[in-house]
Amino acid sequence: GQNIDQPTEMTATEGAIVQINCTYQTSGFNGLFWYQQHAGEAPTFLSYNVLDGLEEKGRFSSFLSRSKGYSYLLLKELQMKDSASYLCAVRDSDYKLSFGAGTTVTVRA
Amino acid sequence: IAGITQAPTSQILAAGRRMTLRCTQDMRHNAMYWYRQDLGLGLRLIHYSNTAGTTGKGEVPDGYSVSRANTDDFPLTLASAVPSQTSVYFCASSEALGQGRETQYFGPGTRLLVL
Repeated sequence: GQNIDQPTEMTATEGAIVQINCTYQTSGFNGLFWYQQHAGEAPTFLSYNVLDGLEEKGRFSSFLSRSKGYSYLLLKELQMKDSASYLCAVRDSDYKLSFGAGTTVTVRA
Repeated sequence: IAGITQAPTSQILAAGRRMTLRCTQDMRHNAMYWYRQDLGLGLRLIHYSNTAGTTGKGEVPDGYSVSRANTDDFPLTLASAVPSQTSVYFCASSEALGQGRETQYFGPGTRLLVL
């Protein structure tokens, strides 16, 4: 099975940087995904890591350390529209996803 | 291109009633999934299908059944609804299961209240 932990809530100011951490303990590992979910909407794909290191995509970056069972999602130059829940998901040896409970990020003006 | 559609958008259901949640995708994806999302618990996999004609159980399959008669449709049935099945249900699809960095795409969700 999977055990995936991420903070419940984070608050930051518009224009700032926020880092959302995710730790996991898995019975197998075939990649880590980050999804964004606005209130009342479906999750949408943000990033994917399968090898150690940093993946950068515009204002969003995701980092993975497989030996530490650790990932983070970095949101730079925060905008009001970034207020959402961010879901960490680990793909196991059967290629199915297990999700963390999500981190709700609130961006204040 | 619609992507993934789900119906109904929301439903209030009496306990003990049978209910089928519909999911259709037009991306010709081989793999499809059903999740439920509950506050504080995140998304949990109910059932999945690698390809038409095959299905598998996820983390929380009890009380639910699925079928995959063709590539596009993946209905989820609650045979006899109970209040603990009150949740938001998301259908998702991906090109394949287990072939690289395929991404799961989610439908808009069905909000179900069982009384």
